[in-house]
Amino acid sequence: NAGVMQNPRHLVRRRGQEARLRCSPMKGHSHVYWYRQLPEEGLKFMVYLQKENIIDESGMPKERFSAEFPKEGPSILRIQQVVRGDSAAYFCASSLVNGEETQYFGPGTRLLVL
Amino acid sequence: SQQGEEDPQALSIQEGENATMNCSYKTSINNLQWYRQNSGRGLVHLILIRSNEREKHSGRLRVTLDTSKKSSSLLITASRAADTASYFCASQGAQKLVFGQGTRLTINP
Repeated sequence: NAGVMQNPRHLVRRRGQEARLRCSPMKGHSHVYWYRQLPEEGLKFMVYLQKENIIDESGMPKERFSAEFPKEGPSILRIQQVVRGDSAAYFCASSLVNGEETQYFGPGTRLLVL
Repeated sequence: SQQGEEDPQALSIQEGENATMNCSYKTSINNLQWYRQNSGRGLVHLILIRSNEREKHSGRLRVTLDTSKKSSSLLITASRAADTASYFCASQGAQKLVFGQGTRLTINP
């Protein structure tokens, strides 16, 4: 049973470009979470999704950031018009049951904005 | 801020010694989880302790939880060089995990 998959592992973008980060949860998991980690800091929650629904986006910046988890395919975190401050590691996690179970993390996507 | 706090921020010990890390959180929780992160890598889940549990063991790991003080501790016994990593606690209320800032643990051979 493969773990949580994320791609790309590294992404370089110039200011103003778009970044698309993909996450495939563990098999059978329907709850997906995105977190952001700045250098030398802990992870901060961004958004929680179930299939086709955004449940909690309280950690998402109001502009330029969006997330989806379609019925078919991976979850996508999209950052439009990237700025240097968006440079960070973005981690996806999945769980089988919300709220009471372990969240399993992917290897992360490290975004560098030049 | 909803972030938890961990102390110490950095800990350096000799191989074979025990390492203790502490974590505090701010809101009521369903469970608290501890993760390890090697430099530049993803997070590895270590242990989950539920709000109605006070202590839990897994191999060389021992976790305690005091909900009255909103605090937890992680003890690693008989440390090894391979334990060198950053350790994060993460409290879970309804859904999301709220992470602490982490403890950077260095095991010296």
